[in-house]
Amino acid sequence: GAGVSQSPRYKVAKRGQDVALRCDPISGHVSLFWYQQALGQGPEFLTYFQNEAQLDKSGLPSDRFFAERPEGSVSTLKIQRTQQEDSAVYLCASSSYRGPNTGELFFGEGSRLTVL
Amino acid sequence: AQKVTQAQTEISVVEKEDVTLDCVYETRDTTYYLFWYKQPPSGELVFLIRRNSFDEQNEISGRYSWNFQKSTSSFNFTITASQVVDSAVYFCALSDNTDKLIFGTGTRLQVFP
Repeated sequence: GAGVSQSPRYKVAKRGQDVALRCDPISGHVSLFWYQQALGQGPEFLTYFQNEAQLDKSGLPSDRFFAERPEGSVSTLKIQRTQQEDSAVYLCASSSYRGPNTGELFFGEGSRLTVL
Repeated sequence: AQKVTQAQTEISVVEKEDVTLDCVYETRDTTYYLFWYKQPPSGELVFLIRRNSFDEQNEISGRYSWNFQKSTSSFNFTITASQVVDSAVYFCALSDNTDKLIFGTGTRLQVFP
């Protein structure tokens, strides 16, 4: 597609449910990033993929968070046993460059997760 | 530790006014990159500019201009003759040679007709 596509745009989950958020990056983009944006805050880094390799997962807040990009294109962020503090917008970004410094990141519109 | 501070939470101006969004950063690295992103109501962040720490030249792009001053660790963003379409949340961000961007908390700009 023309841009980064994320689905679902909105997700409401009951506490304890598992959720999966999908990101379709721009075709051919090597780098893929996940960020978490709480209400009124700036995005915070979660994890980074270069092709299918997860090179940095230092921002994942707990072992309930898991991300994958098995074929180097589509990525899924999974949150197990959701908690209320997981409520946030989850942003995906991709880039044709390796890392965020050499070129611009293209962001999707995000998936807004609300945990009741 | 790296940190980005955007002290202005919200700014309101009337169309055609000039407005400056402040950004102060902290880092111990000598090589780093600074960014500005715009987040309209639709939610996606839109890249505006990237600057590396060795290039202190100010930049102008149409109505937008950026002032990078290493002496004060600031990277301020000015919109000249603001328009309603400029209404958005603006984020300043910092990156060293790692994978991640460190974002400030953002400044919400409202431009009224």
